[in-house]
Amino acid sequence: GAGVSQSPSNKVTEKGKDVELRCDPISGHTALYWYRQSLGQGLEFLIYFQGNSAPDKSGLPSDRFSAERTGGSVSTLTIQRTQQEDSAVYLCASSFGTSKVNEQFFGPGTRLTVL
Amino acid sequence: DQQVKQNSPSLSVQEGRISILNCDYTNSMFDYFLWYKKYPAEGPTFLISISSIKDKNEDGRFTVFLNKSAKHLSLHIVPSQPGDSAVYFCAARPGGYQKVTFGTGTKLQVIP
Repeated sequence: GAGVSQSPSNKVTEKGKDVELRCDPISGHTALYWYRQSLGQGLEFLIYFQGNSAPDKSGLPSDRFSAERTGGSVSTLTIQRTQQEDSAVYLCASSFGTSKVNEQFFGPGTRLTVL
Repeated sequence: DQQVKQNSPSLSVQEGRISILNCDYTNSMFDYFLWYKKYPAEGPTFLISISSIKDKNEDGRFTVFLNKSAKHLSLHIVPSQPGDSAVYFCAARPGGYQKVTFGTGTKLQVIP
């Protein structure tokens, strides 16, 4: 399809394990954003990429969280040593450049459950 | 610290009537204000935006009003349709920055 895709759609893991979440942005979109939505909360900004560089990592909750983007396309969000408070829906979005940051196209999200 | 607040978690409106969704913010550095709509099991979709130099922006049935002195914005949907039933997120960002701050959302139900 032509939209933003994320995988897996659901992930259940045990506390202490590492997880990787993947995002495929819309082809041609140079900007990519990661958010998470915890239960009853709004979307919380985590990080954004312009091309392969991440100028703003201020939203990453701790050093257990990291993200990379290669080839200006696919991005991976990695959470090491997962904790129960990491349980949330992780959403990825892309836009046609940072000048179009207001109009982000979101994927369906990955629901992460840490037991 | 919730910089964007949507104090009404839910709203029910009759089909054909006006829906008014409200949003308050605390950060005076916000320059752009956005509304996104979210259906279950889908990601949010962009609906409409307004910059701080305007007080109104209209797109079809959707109008956003901005009151900077009150740090308040609202989304009006006229007339409301059953397909408008969704969660609506208010969001904002400072000019020149990519970090968008979202509210917690208001679930709108339009009753046929």
